[in-house]
Amino acid sequence: DVKVTQSSRYLVKRTGEKVFLECVQDMDHENMFWYRQDPGLGLRLIYFSYDVKMKEKGDIPEGYSVSREKKERFSLILESASTNQTSMYLCASSSGWVTEAFFGQGTRLTVV
Amino acid sequence: QQQVKQSPQSLIVQKGGISIINCAYENTAFDYFPWYQQFPGKGPALLIAIRPDVSEKKEGRFTISFNKSAKQFSLHIMDSQPGDSATYFCAASKEGNFNKFYFGSGTKLNVKP
Repeated sequence: DVKVTQSSRYLVKRTGEKVFLECVQDMDHENMFWYRQDPGLGLRLIYFSYDVKMKEKGDIPEGYSVSREKKERFSLILESASTNQTSMYLCASSSGWVTEAFFGQGTRLTVV
Repeated sequence: QQQVKQSPQSLIVQKGGISIINCAYENTAFDYFPWYQQFPGKGPALLIAIRPDVSEKKEGRFTISFNKSAKQFSLHIMDSQPGDSATYFCAASKEGNFNKFYFGSGTKLNVKP
């Protein structure tokens, strides 16, 4: 079974902190994604990566950056956390052009 | 601008009934339309998907109906069960675009026993 593992289920951070969300997949997938899930807004794409060290902005990249130094690991970075970044963050991976995306269990981040 | 619009936001159905969730899209370049199911505390998981060369796809109690001319697709859950209670997301993507999906806003389904 494909496994996408996010390092934390719950995080509480203070405003202004630098926050790292980590994601690891074990299926050698080329593509990895970070989504943000908010009630009534669905899943919105923050960033994605189609290869090591390659990244592309999604629909809502402001306030975020990403890092992909190894194929299996994709990190989301909140440079200076703000309260409006309180949300559920979902990592996903996939292989090929248009195939199934496998999601992690999510990280619920609260910024206070 | 939301690329995929989903309705209703929430749905209550009696056990054994039919659940219907609708989605509409704007971009005619989309050519892959999956539905994802998410249980509380879990990430979304692929439920069923369709490509626009067919008008319907059925897997067990789950059916996608696709209307290319209307740019609409829907999920039908027949004989709905309490275990189907979850949040459902429709999505759309364009082949060759790195699996970049555009998701609907989600429908929270509650199947009452």
